[in-house]
Parts: sequence; structure tokens; C-alpha cells
Amino acid sequence: QSVLTQPPSVSAAPGQKVTISCSGSSSNIGNNYISWYQQFPGTAPKLLVYDNNKRPSGIPDRFSGSKSGTSATLGITGLQTGDEADYYCATWDDSLRDVVFGGGTKLTVL
Amino acid sequence: QVQLVQSGAEVKRPGASVKVSCKASGYTFTSAAMHWVRQAPGQRLEWMGWINAGTGKVKYSEVYQGRVTITRDTPANTAYMELSSLRSEDTAVYYCARAMGGPARFDYWGQGTRVAVSS
Repeated sequence: QSVLTQPPSVSAAPGQKVTISCSGSSSNIGNNYISWYQQFPGTAPKLLVYDNNKRPSGIPDRFSGSKSGTSATLGITGLQTGDEADYYCATWDDSLRDVVFGGGTKLTVL
Repeated sequence: QVQLVQSGAEVKRPGASVKVSCKASGYTFTSAAMHWVRQAPGQRLEWMGWINAGTGKVKYSEVYQGRVTITRDTPANTAYMELSSLRSEDTAVYYCARAMGGPARFDYWGQGTRVAVSS
């Protein structure tokens, strides 16, 4: 199982807001920056958020990240059907000395 | 613009090795790290290891230690990932991903290379 725990799925209606959680420990999220990735079927992941809450150029401000203690959250507002994808959190783990990913969360926009 | 272009799909027998390439362009190859991440069908992303393209220093995940080798050819701006002693569970899409600024901050990804292991 994953070192970082994400809900397997979340859903919300178009236009609504959804949050995706990522729970870890002091050796990973608690002591390191977290990144979030969006992945559509059959394609490579895309960086959405880095350093907990920064967005790369071109990522709309509908996507936001936050971190508190050993947990992190990705928020998506103004949901669109095009946001339906898998979302992954990732960070460095000081104990494992590895990059660790969450198990992924499938977002459904109803 | 930054591009990472990977080699094509592979089909391998159990016990064989596979070597996947990742050619970088649009930036100074030696200024960033290159990571390798894989994804088995329907499964999560799994980190395999990385190479500092400037120094050549590598770090492998314990999960793949002993079976994976990551190298780079700086004149060719290309990184390589070789996985040996293949088994059916290694059937996956293998991605290279550039990291700048932090070990889990992958700002550009290759298109992926599908590796199938089957007898």
C-alpha cells in the first residue's frame, strides 16, 4: 500500500468545489514540500501544484493546494467535466529516502 | 520548449532486461535531475529512482535496488533506465520526468514507454 493515503474516489457536480486529501507522516508530508499531479487515461501526469501551494504557469487558479501538519489537500473549484481525471500527491520521504506517491484519487464530475 | 521523448514500446520475455531512453531538449540537460516513474495497468504511480544529470549521481528506490540502473549520456542529452530480471509484474508504462527545485516536483514528463513482459 501507499505511504501517502488518498481517498480512492471523490465526486461533485459541475460548478461545485471538491477537495482531495493526502495523509502522511512526519517523515514525508510533515517535513517536505508536496506536489499534486493530474493524469488523464493513457497520458502522462501533469504537475498541478508544487511546494504545497504554488501553481506552474498555465495552471488555472481553480486549482489550489494547502498543507497542515502531516496532511495536504488539493482543492478544485468551478468543477468542469474536463477535470475528470486521476489526481496524485507526491513528496519526499526522509526515512525511506524515496519519492513517495499517494494511491491516487479518481475525480468524477457528475 | 522543454521536451522529453522516450523510446518505443517493448515486449520482453521473463528474465530479460529492458532499456528505455529519454531524450531531453529545450533546456540545459545537466542542470536538472531526471527521475523514472512507472505505472502498472490500473495502478498508482511508483517512483523508481533518479539521476543528477550533471554529476551522474544516482539514487534508486529500495524496491528496485539491484535490478534498476539509471545512466545518462550528456552529449546526447539522453537518460536511460535499464530494468533487469523482468517478471510479469514489471508490465507497466515507464515515464521519465524532469525535476527542478525539489525531488518530487516533476515539471515535465516523457510520453511514457509501454513495456510488456510475457512468455
